Amino acid sequence: GAGVSQSPSNKVTEKGKDVELRCDPISGHTALYWYRQSLGQGLEFLIYFQGNSAPDKSGLPSDRFSAERTGGSVSTLTIQRTQQEDSAVYLCASSLEGGREQYFGPGTRLTVT
Amino acid sequence: GENVEQHPSTLSVQEGDSAVIKCTYSDSASNYFPWYKQELGKGPQLIIDIRSNVGEKKDQRIAVTLNKTAKHFSLHITETQPEDSAVYFCAASTGEAGNMLTFGGGTRLMVKP
Repeated sequence: GAGVSQSPSNKVTEKGKDVELRCDPISGHTALYWYRQSLGQGLEFLIYFQGNSAPDKSGLPSDRFSAERTGGSVSTLTIQRTQQEDSAVYLCASSLEGGREQYFGPGTRLTVT
Repeated sequence: GENVEQHPSTLSVQEGDSAVIKCTYSDSASNYFPWYKQELGKGPQLIIDIRSNVGEKKDQRIAVTLNKTAKHFSLHITETQPEDSAVYFCAASTGEAGNMLTFGGGTRLMVKP
């Protein structure tokens, strides 16, 4: 079946602009995670959604980052007033409720100039 | 919080040889340990995982071992092939934030034909 999809695959933006990154999880997966992969920090957890519960935002690096999940499916990660240090690959993963296995999408490469 | 260390950062082997990648974790509450393979331009792909109630798991040429006392786990790839060349990540999870993963820094494996 279809895996996790993310769009866009690449995004170049100017410093100070806002960006939105989209994730479509695997159908039937109720848990959704955002991670960031950067050269200096490796892979780091950002935020977690489970069904309609309030998200766990403990990994978000600043209040410029926010995420929402509509209808328990598609998620959008928004970065406001982008900075050069936000340049990274943003990865989305999904899993079954209570499942430990997480399946990743291909990521969105964000470049802030 | 959890900290995962991974070694080596790069590993070069001859086709047909074995490859071993080692990880240590800090939080004794961690109970799930997946391994991911990431090819260039793609998201991480789950290749094998192990839970804390077992010491070893095999899947064809891949095996993972876990030593809970020493808090380390290893990935073993036998009869390596050029298509095994990729970056491999270990991760650990305590089950907090859903099942948020803490990743090691990655190992770039190169298999020479």
